[in-house]
Amino acid sequence: DIQLTQSPSFLSASVGDRVTITCRASQGISRYLAWYQQKPGKAPKLLIYAASTLQSGVPSRFSGSGSGTEFTLTINSLQPEDFATYYCQQLNTYPPFTFGPGTKVDIK
Amino acid sequence: QVTLRESGPALVKPTQTLTLTCTFSGFSLSTTGMCVSWIRQPPGKALEWLALIDWDDDKYYSTSLKTRLSISKDTSKTRVVLTMTNMDPVDTATYYCARSQYTSITIFGAIIPGYFGIDVWGQGTTVTVSS
Repeated sequence: DIQLTQSPSFLSASVGDRVTITCRASQGISRYLAWYQQKPGKAPKLLIYAASTLQSGVPSRFSGSGSGTEFTLTINSLQPEDFATYYCQQLNTYPPFTFGPGTKVDIK
Repeated sequence: QVTLRESGPALVKPTQTLTLTCTFSGFSLSTTGMCVSWIRQPPGKALEWLALIDWDDDKYYSTSLKTRLSISKDTSKTRVVLTMTNMDPVDTATYYCARSQYTSITIFGAIIPGYFGIDVWGQGTTVTVSS
């Protein structure tokens, strides 16, 4: 199975900050990576697919990059509603469609 | 509008079998490319993908749980059922059903087929395993 790691596990940031989260795969997964945002008590929401394509309706301050084994999610100018936990998921080699362990973005 | 809703028991005893139903609308599992997955999340922990069934009735399971899981769709094709045998307290979690699609997208001029994310999720149902 492909394993995903995310760094950092937790980050504290302020409104207006630029935030970068990294997701690393144990094997190459081309661009088959998705990013999700999850708020407490809610279902995850798809933000980005194919490593860098913004899902419809997602604000343009979110962006993704990477291919192969290393990927990043960047949030430009963090907004109050962006404080949440972010997960990556690989969809290249399955089953399973592995999720990363998550990165919690908290208010500084 | 695509919606999915999970239903099932809130409490099961250890060793029992859990049966969860996902009732969906706004799409058909008969349509090429459509799929339904189950994902769970223990309290305070990460998401864990469990199983997927596709339009062609192909089924995929978590490597670590495949001996305990079974996914199926009913003849109406508006419901997907997940069963998990031999439940244990560590299986206490919120269980989500969600839709994904096997499709093709264009990246830098190249047409790439595959799965590209889970785009619609149910609200989740909480299952506690306790005697």
